[in-house]
Amino acid sequence: DAGITQSPRHKVTETGTPVTLRCHQTENHRYMYWYRQDPGHGLRLIHYSYGVKDTDKGEVSDGYSVSRSKTEDFLLTLESATSSQTSVYFCAISESVKNNEQFFGPGTRLTVL
Amino acid sequence: QQQVKQSPQSLIVQKGGISIINCAYENTAFDYFPWYQQFPGKGPALLIAIRPDVSEKKEGRFTISFNKSAKQFSLHIMDSQPGDSATYFCAARVGTASKLTFGTGTRLQVTL
Repeated sequence: DAGITQSPRHKVTETGTPVTLRCHQTENHRYMYWYRQDPGHGLRLIHYSYGVKDTDKGEVSDGYSVSRSKTEDFLLTLESATSSQTSVYFCAISESVKNNEQFFGPGTRLTVL
Repeated sequence: QQQVKQSPQSLIVQKGGISIINCAYENTAFDYFPWYQQFPGKGPALLIAIRPDVSEKKEGRFTISFNKSAKQFSLHIMDSQPGDSATYFCAARVGTASKLTFGTGTRLQVTL
């Protein structure tokens, strides 16, 4: 998985609790992305980062925040988890705009009860 | 709002047959069109990609056909094999930061 790890790989939590998912890369790629994957929706971009402390919203950013204090780490936080955030979350990295390929991590399966 | 529409949702093909998956888009600013392959329990992986100035790209058994005027592109898998059984996603990129918009996916099953 191109030097990308996600933690945890599985998590079950309760509605209203905060949750943080971590993406760690060893490729020194500039761009990092968080997607969620749901049946019938494909992959939808939540937030992305184009450098340390530089982040922006994707198409489904409501209820999520991100932080990137180091090149290698991109954190996704659900401030108060809801059942609609039950999903599989994927992190991806990309070297540059010129080199378009995005490499995906193994995913985190999150269940919000 | 689904900017990239993908069909069919699922597809069953016999071994040796041709698998065809279609995608259509509306945003003419899209400038890069990749296809990703995903096996169960894994993250998606880039399979093949095309830019809009090219009408066809072939890599082994996989071919992308691109019709700019119709705003459509398709993936053809020749001589489909059971190992090709996976979910396939088309995608399109616009603007900076290589943001991708994905189709909803096609689950391909290749039978013996």
